[in-house]
Amino acid sequence: GQSLEQPSEVTAVEGAIVQINCTYQTSGFYGLSWYQQHDGGAPTFLSYNALDGLEETGRFSSFLSRSDSYGYLLLQELQMKDSASYFCAVIDSWGKLQFGAGTQVVVTP
Amino acid sequence: DTAVSQTPKYLVTQMGNDKSIKCEQNLGHDTMYWYKQDSKKFLKIMFSYNNKELIINETVPNRFSPKSPDKAHLNLHINSLELGDSAVYFCASSQGGQPNTEAFFGQGTRLTVV
Repeated sequence: GQSLEQPSEVTAVEGAIVQINCTYQTSGFYGLSWYQQHDGGAPTFLSYNALDGLEETGRFSSFLSRSDSYGYLLLQELQMKDSASYFCAVIDSWGKLQFGAGTQVVVTP
Repeated sequence: DTAVSQTPKYLVTQMGNDKSIKCEQNLGHDTMYWYKQDSKKFLKIMFSYNNKELIINETVPNRFSPKSPDKAHLNLHINSLELGDSAVYFCASSQGGQPNTEAFFGQGTRLTVV
């Protein structure tokens, strides 16, 4: 089966940097994705890693280490609008997209 | 144009009823999913279809029956609704073939069973 672990909540001030870690166990691992979801909204895609290393997209970066079954999402220059839930999601070779339980990021002034 | 649209957005119904949720995507994607998000925000995959064929069927009660009349539509029918079915149901789509890099989600259907 598949399992993903990520912290339940992180609180930080505006302008800070937050790292959300994700560890996973799965067979047929293909890649790791990150999604953002605001309260009452739909999950929206942030990033995807299939290979080891860092992918940068503006203020957000995502990292993957396949050998460690570990990844993280880095949120830089935090803004109030970044307050949301962030989900890591494993994609397996059958195309199944399985989500972690989500990390609630709370940004304070 | 909405990429993935679900109807209805809200659904309140009594226990024991049968209800359907519809989903349509205009992205030309091959793969569509149904997810259930509970009150703790856990997103659990229920079903996945690729080109109208069921490819993933998680341990979901057989009261839940998906139907894909064509690759742009994936509907979810629920029989004999129970209180525990109350949740937000999300439809999503992605480009199949290769495991997707991005899934697009509908706005969700908030189902409340009373």
